[in-house]
Amino acid sequence: QVQLVESGGGVVQPGRSLRLSCAASGFTFSNYGFHWVRQAPGKGLEWVGLIWYDGSNKYYADSVKGRFTISRDSSRSTLYLQMNSLRVEDTAVYSCVRDLGTYPASYFDFWGQGTLVTVSS
Amino acid sequence: QSVLTQPPSVSGAPGQRVTISCTGSSSNIGAAYDVHWYQRLPGTAPKLLIYHNTNRPSGVPDRFSGSKSGTSASLTITGLQAEDEADYFCQSYDSSLSGVVFGGGTKLTVL
Repeated sequence: QVQLVESGGGVVQPGRSLRLSCAASGFTFSNYGFHWVRQAPGKGLEWVGLIWYDGSNKYYADSVKGRFTISRDSSRSTLYLQMNSLRVEDTAVYSCVRDLGTYPASYFDFWGQGTLVTVSS
Repeated sequence: QSVLTQPPSVSGAPGQRVTISCTGSSSNIGAAYDVHWYQRLPGTAPKLLIYHNTNRPSGVPDRFSGSKSGTSASLTITGLQAEDEADYFCQSYDSSLSGVVFGGGTKLTVL
């Protein structure tokens, strides 16, 4: 069955970096685009960014543009989120999500359970 | 504050019908971008309920339906069941923000 399993979360100081991973299984990874979505404590969902099925295009929310980078490794069926210059406001549960549509007409059929990132001094 | 506005909570008795609204603007729903709906049961990942405004994935009961008009969309649940108690949220695209946007979520309580 389809599985998306995130890892790499933890506590990090402001200004430091962290890399999240999302291991996919149960389907052909290279056929799909993926998004990262986050939810801060007590807040709603916020879109972080997207990478196309072949990695040729990437889009980011303004709040993370220039600091976060999405990449993928099809040989490992793994999605990554490199987060640099982290801020306290980046504290959230980060989830990877499979795109069933075509951006901007994206919609999501499978979500990972998420990994918590806490940015604190 | 979410770009798409939903009521924080709705409730209904078993067998009744409830409607959850999702209000946007001229740069998202009003710009003809599709709306999608998800159900999140406690402790689980969201489940796709409605895509492209009105379509149900296979396996989703026809008690769930979606509609869209102008700058708003709605999710309607008929024949409410106890197992429908969950959080529901909408999702679309916003051309001004150049990104995917979500509603704040609505908690459905089955009385």
